Amino acid sequence: DIQMTQSPASLSASLEEIVTITCQASQDIGNWLAWYQQKPGKSPQLLIYGATSLADGVPSRFSGSRSGTQYSLKISRLQVEDPGIYYCLQGYSAPPTFGGGTKLELK
Amino acid sequence: QIQLVQSGPELKKPGESVKISCKASGYTFTNYGMYWVKQAPGQGLQYMGWINTETGKPTYADDFKGRFVFFLETSASTAYLQINNLKNEDMATYFCARRLGRQFDYWGQGVMVTVSS
Repeated sequence: DIQMTQSPASLSASLEEIVTITCQASQDIGNWLAWYQQKPGKSPQLLIYGATSLADGVPSRFSGSRSGTQYSLKISRLQVEDPGIYYCLQGYSAPPTFGGGTKLELK
Repeated sequence: QIQLVQSGPELKKPGESVKISCKASGYTFTNYGMYWVKQAPGQGLQYMGWINTETGKPTYADDFKGRFVFFLETSASTAYLQINNLKNEDMATYFCARRLGRQFDYWGQGVMVTVSS
């Protein structure tokens, strides 16, 4: 199975700050990478798919990028509604595998 | 609009079985596979497998072979997850999700299963 190593495991940031979360794939997965946000007691919500495409209704302060087998989610200006747990998901090969998650808090 | 609505929370004893439903609406049920994801308390997301909604064929991830069963009631646009012989480690929230392309685009609200004697 493809391993997705996500970092950091947690971070604390201030309003309007730039936040970056990364996922390292254990092998080439092309652009088959998605990012999700999960808030307490809720289901995950799709933010980014195809490594860089913004899902419908997601604010433009979220963006995704790829460099080789490293993928990044960037929040350009952290807002009060952005804290939660963020997960990456590789869809390149079965079984799909999730990163371990990044807990984002407001400082 | 597209919705996946799951059944309510469950409290079961070890050794019992539980059946969780996931009712789809707003799209053609048989056009998309239905996927299942487990989230243990305070933990991350774990892929369980999926069921082909056209053929009814289930595919289980390695950790979910044996006691876990995926099945359908296609006429009701509903997918089911049944867990037999419940163990303490099955205590978790279980999500159904639709897959579009290579990502899950719509998720159910999740069902919390509590296993306690």
